[in-house]
Amino acid sequence: NAGVTQTPKFQVLKTGQSMTLQCAQDMNHNSMYWYRQDPGMGLRLIYYSASEGTTDKGEVPNGYNVSRLNKREFSLRLESAAPSQTSVYFCASSGRALFFGSGTQLSVL
Amino acid sequence: GQQVMQIPQYQHVQEGEDFTTYCNSSTTLSNIQWYKQRPGGHPVFLIQLVKSGEVKKQKRLTFQFGEAKKNSSLHITATQTTDVGTYFCAGPMRNQGGKLIFGQGTELSVKP
Repeated sequence: NAGVTQTPKFQVLKTGQSMTLQCAQDMNHNSMYWYRQDPGMGLRLIYYSASEGTTDKGEVPNGYNVSRLNKREFSLRLESAAPSQTSVYFCASSGRALFFGSGTQLSVL
Repeated sequence: GQQVMQIPQYQHVQEGEDFTTYCNSSTTLSNIQWYKQRPGGHPVFLIQLVKSGEVKKQKRLTFQFGEAKKNSSLHITATQTTDVGTYFCAGPMRNQGGKLIFGQGTELSVKP
């Protein structure tokens, strides 16, 4: 029972490069989330998906796109990475509470 | 916009001392959740409070939800080194379905 699985765990990009963060959950949850965590800023919601086929912007969506591929998978894409997107990214799914993946540490140089 | 504020941002205690973190929302919350994140780890759900004035205990941890449902606190009695980490409160965004808004967190360090 893996819970929420995120890949990759670490990534270094150059400014302007693109990449996709993958997330999958095996808890049959409808809702899935992408958060970013920066020092002193807590967890800020990037995008949210209430169910398969639906997505909604969170607090800080600029520079990101998402795809809810099916009930299990919710991916986050950076089309043109910027240094301001250097952060730790967490995927989560929810039943009554949020269950988080182990995170992706992304550095954009 | 809606905000959830936590204080203090950092707290350093000697092992055995008590610790409290406070969470204040700009709006009334239907519920509040608390999470703990160990250094280098991911947030882990601790508890949810729903009722006005609710108090719940988990061993040395005591959680309170204010009467007005706009504030909450987490109190740890006699801290241990295993309590080290960042504690976050989170509440539902108003009229935003299941989205949660998090406080900035309180980072607790415990000196043996």
